Order: sequence, then C-alpha cells, then structure tokens
Amino acid sequence: KAGVTQTPRYLIKTRGQQVTLSCSPISGHRSVSWYQQTPGQGLQFLFEYFSETQRNKGNFPGRFSGRQFSNSRSEMNVSTLELGDSALYLCASSTFDNTDTQYFGPGTRLTVL
Amino acid sequence: GENVEQHPSTLSVQEGDSAVIKCTYSDSASNYFPWYKQELGKGPQLIIDIRSNVGEKKDQRIAVTLNKTAKHFSLHITETQPEDSAVYFCAASKTSGTYKYIFGTGTRLKVLA
Repeated sequence: KAGVTQTPRYLIKTRGQQVTLSCSPISGHRSVSWYQQTPGQGLQFLFEYFSETQRNKGNFPGRFSGRQFSNSRSEMNVSTLELGDSALYLCASSTFDNTDTQYFGPGTRLTVL
Repeated sequence: GENVEQHPSTLSVQEGDSAVIKCTYSDSASNYFPWYKQELGKGPQLIIDIRSNVGEKKDQRIAVTLNKTAKHFSLHITETQPEDSAVYFCAASKTSGTYKYIFGTGTRLKVLA
C-alpha cells in the first residue's frame, strides 16, 4: 500500500497570505490528523477528521482550519499567515479500528517570510 | 493539562551499546503509547507501540516497557547501529473515539561508529 502523501512538500509564503495543504491518507484509512512541528514547540496536535467531521481540535487559533472529503483526503488551511506559522505540517492517517496507530506522511515544510 | 515529558533530549552512545529513552505521562486515562523515529527530512515512522494492558513488548533490538502505576514508559535499543541515529518521539493517547497524540519533546540519538 502507498503511504500517506502530502502536497506540496515545500512552500514559501509571505506574512498575511493564506495557504492550503493537502493530505491523502493510506487507502482504507478514514481518520486524518494534522500536527504542527517546530523546534521550539515540538509536535502539536492541530485537529482530527473522521468521515468528513472534525472530532477533535487542538489549541490553535481560528486561522487554522481543515476539512475532509468523502474520499478521506484532507486539507488544512492557514489564513493571515504569521512568521510563527513557519513549521513542518504533518498529516497522519489511521483506520479507526481501535488500534489507535497513526501513520505519518513526510510533511509539508512551510516557510513564512 | 495533558503532558508527556521525555528525557534525555540528546543521547550519544557508541556503536554496539544500548540506548534508553524515558517518558512520563500525566493523563492516567492514557492507554496507548507509540514510539516514533524521525530522520532528517522525513515524517515520524512508527517503530514500536505498547498498550496499557501489557508491561513489555519487544521487536528484535527494540523493546518498550510500561509502568502504569508510575506513569512511565521507556524505549530500549540494544546493539545500536549508526542507522539508529535519528530523533525519537514518545507519545501517549487514550482510546476515546478520536485520535489525539500528546508527544514528548524528542530525543536526538547519535550512535558513534
């Protein structure tokens, strides 16, 4: 099976712009979670989607949003970018069969100038 | 709030020696504890996991132990090899119908040849 794929892999934006990141989960996986990884804060949970519904959300401002499509693919959007949004954004998928195991994609490296 | 402490932050060992990384979690309801290895430029890769009904699990050179009473869990790597050099993250989660990992801050392991 192909793993979790994320596009684009690298992105450079300027402050005030918005950005959309995409994640395709492993085939058959219905849960998609997003994490932000920075050197200072480590890996922090953004939100999780299952069957097109957001089931859980981390402590991030409303500028961070996401959605999931009927084919389980997910997108996250960050509006009004700030310098502090520069990070590696990771997507993880899971089958939701109570095994709790999440499999991560390679991430999208976002740089905000 | 939910928290996972991970120590040490950096660890250098000679090739062939053992490495131990320790984590402590705060939420006593946590019942699933995965360990991830992250190499430069890649997303975290699951290397081993353990559930709260098990005290120890082993997979070749890698083992994880769990002490529920003390809320501690540890990763043990024996006969370390240069390719074990990476950043290792522990995480804790609870089976609650949603996937949200609380990650430790990471341990950079260097295996010296």
